Amino acid sequence: DTGVSQDPRHKITKRGQNVTFRCDPISEHNRLYWYRQTLGQGPEFLTYFQNEAQLEKSRLLSDRFSAERPKGSFSTLEIQRTEQGDSAMYLCASSSLTSTETQYFGPGTRLLVL
Amino acid sequence: QKEVEQNSGPLSVPEGAIASLNCTYSDRVSQSFFWYRQYSGKSPELIMSIYSNGDKEDGRFTAQLNKASQYVSLLIRDSQPSDSATYLCAVRYSGAGSYQLTFGKGTKLSVIP
Repeated sequence: DTGVSQDPRHKITKRGQNVTFRCDPISEHNRLYWYRQTLGQGPEFLTYFQNEAQLEKSRLLSDRFSAERPKGSFSTLEIQRTEQGDSAMYLCASSSLTSTETQYFGPGTRLLVL
Repeated sequence: QKEVEQNSGPLSVPEGAIASLNCTYSDRVSQSFFWYRQYSGKSPELIMSIYSNGDKEDGRFTAQLNKASQYVSLLIRDSQPSDSATYLCAVRYSGAGSYQLTFGKGTKLSVIP
């Protein structure tokens, strides 16, 4: 068990471009979460999946953001028409249905929008 | 608006001392409480979880929960320079189908050798 993995670890893009991030949860973890963290702040919840179903979305998740978990395993988070305000660390976490919802975080993807 | 409040610090303690980190939360109907440690540029790492009133100890770490006062704390005994990091308090609020965590802004701890 290698923990939660995320790819890429770093992404630099120009304003207006689309970016996609991938998250692979801990194997057999049914729940997968996306958070965003900016400097000096705690992580902010974006969205959550149980298996392939997206069950909860934050109001922070604008129309430019979309997340999928098509087979209930890995997940992708896409940001369309990136803006400088999207620059942040994007964190993925997973938890098991059988645990007391303890969430384990991946290493994150650091996005810089120029 | 559910809120989690932490003193941003920095909190400086000498090596070997006890570091005390505090957190308050706004929603009385909260179920689960977590402390994460985050080194600069890294992702949060789970330190402790606590679900019922009282103390929970794990090695040098003790989490304390007082639901009546809506207060949760983390004590680090025999602080080491390697404990220098930002400590994030996270709360899971009760609610049908809601599993998101609400985080505080974190307290930066510096352990001075």
